[in-house]
Amino acid sequence: DAGVTQSPTHLIKTRGQQVTLRCSPKSGHDTVSWYQQALGQGPQFIFQYYEEEERQRGNFPDRFSGHQFPNYSSELNVNALLLGDSALYLCASSSTLLYAVELYGYTFGSGTRLTVV
Amino acid sequence: DAKTTQPPSMDCAEGRAANLPCNHSTISGNEYVYWYRQIHSQGPQYIIHGLKNNETNEMASLIITEDRKSSTLILPHATLRDTAVYYCIVRTTGTASKLTFGTGTRLQVTL
Repeated sequence: DAGVTQSPTHLIKTRGQQVTLRCSPKSGHDTVSWYQQALGQGPQFIFQYYEEEERQRGNFPDRFSGHQFPNYSSELNVNALLLGDSALYLCASSSTLLYAVELYGYTFGSGTRLTVV
Repeated sequence: DAKTTQPPSMDCAEGRAANLPCNHSTISGNEYVYWYRQIHSQGPQYIIHGLKNNETNEMASLIITEDRKSSTLILPHATLRDTAVYYCIVRTTGTASKLTFGTGTRLQVTL
């Protein structure tokens, strides 16, 4: 059973550019959350998507946007990249079935390492 | 979500039990305690969670104090592969509830 798949695994971009990161959730999961993890820090919540809509958002600027597709996969877009956007971007999926998150927790991908130069 | 406090680092000899503490003194009645771990260069992995009773699964045991203000994650026989950052998280139930990570405890298992 495939877990959460993220692509690409590594990416180098220049300041001011735009980037798109992709996530395929675990089979059977319909909710996708995105997290940013700076070096030496815990992951920080960016936003969550369910039924193709943003359901909850963390404290991130509008430069960060997302999308969820009918097959539940998701994209994270970051515009006007800053050096401070360099981080590991993690995707986590879960199911809205009753108590699924409580029973099994969230499933995380291995992340995309974004470096902005 | 309530704030948690964990020691920044701990060491444990291989084969011994690793006991990782977590303080969550402002936890409310509908908040669960979750534990995740993150092995270097991987995404966080769910370990265990509980509300007020002690819990055990194939990976670990979770001991929650009676007043629920603190908890301990126990890895009964630590191996080198358990070396990771361990995060204690308090969250409400519900699929929309995000995970709020702190900086966690870096557990180093040694020979």
